[in-house]
Amino acid sequence: SQQGEEDPQALSIQEGENATMNCSYKTSINNLQWYRQNSGRGLVHLILIRSNEREKHSGRLRVTLDTSKKSSSLLITASRAADTASYFCAPNTGKLIFGQGTTLQVKP
Amino acid sequence: ETGVTQTPRHLVMGMTNKKSLKCEQHLGHNAMYWYKQSAKKPLELMFVYNFKEQTENNSVPSRFSPECPNSSHLFLHLHTLQPEDSALYLCASSQLSNQPQHFGDGTRLSIL
Repeated sequence: SQQGEEDPQALSIQEGENATMNCSYKTSINNLQWYRQNSGRGLVHLILIRSNEREKHSGRLRVTLDTSKKSSSLLITASRAADTASYFCAPNTGKLIFGQGTTLQVKP
Repeated sequence: ETGVTQTPRHLVMGMTNKKSLKCEQHLGHNAMYWYKQSAKKPLELMFVYNFKEQTENNSVPSRFSPECPNSSHLFLHLHTLQPEDSALYLCASSQLSNQPQHFGDGTRLSIL
């Protein structure tokens, strides 16, 4: 399967801690995108990292990409209760292939 | 507000009914997508339209019939559905296929 596979499937942390989610994929990509989904809502695009980039930042988000290992990570620093959601990576091979996501719970 | 509006938000239908899901985007995008999201499964891409032309049909059963009359509107016509078709159906749009997608909040479909 070409889909992104996120790890862990579920993560529970305290507010203020950092959260790290990992993604692995199997084929060559144009870029890799991360999305968030709050319960009962659609997905929201967080960040896009191109295949020739190794790291990208957006606010409290930091994404890394290692194309040699076909892996990516999403780090959320100083987490907040509002960060509670499911997070999906989506390798872009010409179309986005989503995994099952990581469910993050941030406890106040 | 994501710029992508889906209606209805909830739909309950019997297996013999015919209904349609509607998606409208106000972002001037050229690509539109239908996805199916079931519990415990990855998001499944169903159909892709680029510049109103269907460019992807991901082996979707014929009881799902998409329609894209213009670049702002996308429909999913449903008929003779099965209980396993109960899911959240998400519409998305993007400027081009490599670019970030904007999602609607979905239609929660329940088949009785």
